[in-house]
Amino acid sequence: AQSVSQHNHHVILSEAASLELGCNYSYGGTVNLFWYVQYPGQHLQLLLKYFSGDPLVKGIKGFEAEFIKSKFSFNLRKPSVQWSDTAEYFCAVILSSARQLTFGSGTQLTVLP
Amino acid sequence: DAGVTQSPTHLIKTRGQQVTLRCSPKSGHDTVSWYQQALGQGPQFIFQYYEEEERQRGNFPDRFSGHQFPNYSSELNVNALLLGDSALYLCASSLQGLNSPLHFGNGTRLTVT
Repeated sequence: AQSVSQHNHHVILSEAASLELGCNYSYGGTVNLFWYVQYPGQHLQLLLKYFSGDPLVKGIKGFEAEFIKSKFSFNLRKPSVQWSDTAEYFCAVILSSARQLTFGSGTQLTVLP
Repeated sequence: DAGVTQSPTHLIKTRGQQVTLRCSPKSGHDTVSWYQQALGQGPQFIFQYYEEEERQRGNFPDRFSGHQFPNYSSELNVNALLLGDSALYLCASSLQGLNSPLHFGNGTRLTVT
C-alpha cells in the first residue's frame, strides 16, 4: 500500500537552531511531493512542492527540501528556525497520474524563544 | 482573498445521526476534495469532485457521500454516524490540472457522542 512516513512526531528546538524533518514514501511510480504547514489555529498552507527538475526546492519562509529518489525521501530543512516556525508540518505525496494526496502523520515543531 | 470557506466550524452530533458539511472553494477553482483528519494524524483523502461528479474516492465507506453544485461549492454528507467519525473535516480546492496545488479551508470539527 502507498504510504508516507514522517519519522519525528515532535521536535523541540531553540531559536537559531537548524531543522531537518524526515519524510519517506513508498510509491512505485513518478511522484509529486509537498510539504504543508499548519500554524496554530490556521489552515494548512503549502510550504513547497517538487514536480520535476532540480531536486533541491526552495519554499516560503526560508524552507527548502531535497528529493532523493534512490532513498524515496523528501526531507525538509531550514538553517535557522524562528519562534514563529512553531507549527505542525506535513509531508504529502501524490502519484503524478493520480488525484489523491497522501499525507504523513505530521511533525509538531516547537521552537523555544 | 476569497479562500476556501467551510461551515459550520464546529458540530456535535449523536451516534446514528446524519451530518452535512459545506465548502465554498477559492475563487477561480473548479475542483473540491475532502479530507478527514483524526486527532494526531495526517489528513486522509475521502473523495474529489469535479464537474459535479465524484472523480476519485479514498478508502471510506458508502456512508460518506458528497455533492458538487454548478457554482463549484460542495457538500460532504455522513450517514449513520459512528464515534470514530469524530475528526476535523477539511475541504481543499484546486484547478483540475494534476499539478494544481490544494488550498485548504480551516475545517469543520465534528464530534460524535
